[in-house]
Amino acid sequence: RKEVEQDPGPFNVPEGATVAFNCTYSNSASQSFFWYRQDCRKEPKLLMSVYSSGNEDGRFTAQLNRASQYISLLIRDSKLSDSATYLCVVNGGTYKYIFGTGTRLKVLA
Amino acid sequence: IAGITQAPTSQILAAGRRMTLRCTQDMRHNAMYWYRQDLGLGLRLIHYSNTAGTTGKGEVPDGYSVSRANTDDFPLTLASAVPSQTSVYFCASSELAGVSDTQYFGPGTRLTVL
Repeated sequence: RKEVEQDPGPFNVPEGATVAFNCTYSNSASQSFFWYRQDCRKEPKLLMSVYSSGNEDGRFTAQLNRASQYISLLIRDSKLSDSATYLCVVNGGTYKYIFGTGTRLKVLA
Repeated sequence: IAGITQAPTSQILAAGRRMTLRCTQDMRHNAMYWYRQDLGLGLRLIHYSNTAGTTGKGEVPDGYSVSRANTDDFPLTLASAVPSQTSVYFCASSELAGVSDTQYFGPGTRLTVL
């Protein structure tokens, strides 16, 4: 089993739709969690950190479920500019950032 | 300079040649990292450094070496390139090496080894 698993997609959604991605992790001792966004042929950029209590940033909501060992990302009112690959990152110790392979989102006009 | 820069942007290299990928950051971050990204595998850590003068091995260090002579620069060297080292290489940095520290990435170097 991979340490971090994501559905590769693509998720094709119309503008204005709500879409959710999940990411599962295998190491129950993982300490911190992040969602990064990566545009085609570009570097990953931090979208948001994920906290135990859940957190929201505008149209984006991230949640952590430690009992079931997954994190989620919800995007409301999808925009064309949201089209990208979303990387789940789990940190299990110093220097030990484990990246998922990413979920590809296409928002359609 | 703002953030992290990498050079070259892309490179085609003959197998057996030596190659150094450059990485420079101007954020005065203590920790720096080198990753490779391959289709279907996600980013994998090659080497890291938590401060100038110290380096450590990541998940896939074989065939690569690094040095950290100062805070800003973290070059990655392929001593004798092989085709399996064809990949996109990203340098990253974080203020500290703590588990909750955010990593910031450079624009990447696309390397093809023939």
